Amino acid sequence: DIQMTQSPSTLSASVGDRVTITCRASQTISTWLAWYQQKPGKAPKLLISKASSLESGVPSSFSGSGSGTEFTLTISSLQPDDFATYYCQQYTTYPYSFGQGTKLEI
Amino acid sequence: QVQLQESGPGLVKPSETLSLTCTVSGDSLNNDYWSWIRQPPGKGLEWIGYIYYSGGTNYSPSLKSRVTMSIDTSKNQFSLNLTSVTAADTAVYFCARDPPGEPMDVWGKGTTVTVSS
Repeated sequence: DIQMTQSPSTLSASVGDRVTITCRASQTISTWLAWYQQKPGKAPKLLISKASSLESGVPSSFSGSGSGTEFTLTISSLQPDDFATYYCQQYTTYPYSFGQGTKLEI
Repeated sequence: QVQLQESGPGLVKPSETLSLTCTVSGDSLNNDYWSWIRQPPGKGLEWIGYIYYSGGTNYSPSLKSRVTMSIDTSKNQFSLNLTSVTAADTAVYFCARDPPGEPMDVWGKGTTVTVSS
């Protein structure tokens, strides 16, 4: 099985900051990586697919990069609505696996 | 637009079977995989498995011995059965559309299942 490791687990930031979350895969997954945003009591929302493809309606302040085993999610200028937990997920091989999550807090 | 809605008992006794149904609206079940994911309280996401519209399945090895999924295309529903539950199975259970070659793009709101006597 492919293990996904995110860092940091918690990130404290302020409105307007630029932040980066890292996700590492235990083996190469090409660009078969997705990023999700989850708010308390809600389902995860797909933000980025194929490592860097922004989903429709997702603000352009979000961007993803990487390939192989190392990936990043960057938010260029934090807005109040961005404070949430973020998960990476590989979808190259079953069983699908998620990172443990990064909680972005004020 | 496509919507998914989970339904089922919110409380299940230990050693019994957890049964959930996901009803899909705005899309047919054809040509996609349909997944179940769970999230224990305060923890991360765990993929349970998928069912294809044709009935083919793929389960997580960690749950494979206890999981069965089924699909009813006439009702636009698919279901999850998890046997011999324990407190460790307490979680929010989500269903999601899982298009071939794509990540899970549409999720239900989730349903909380508590395992307790």
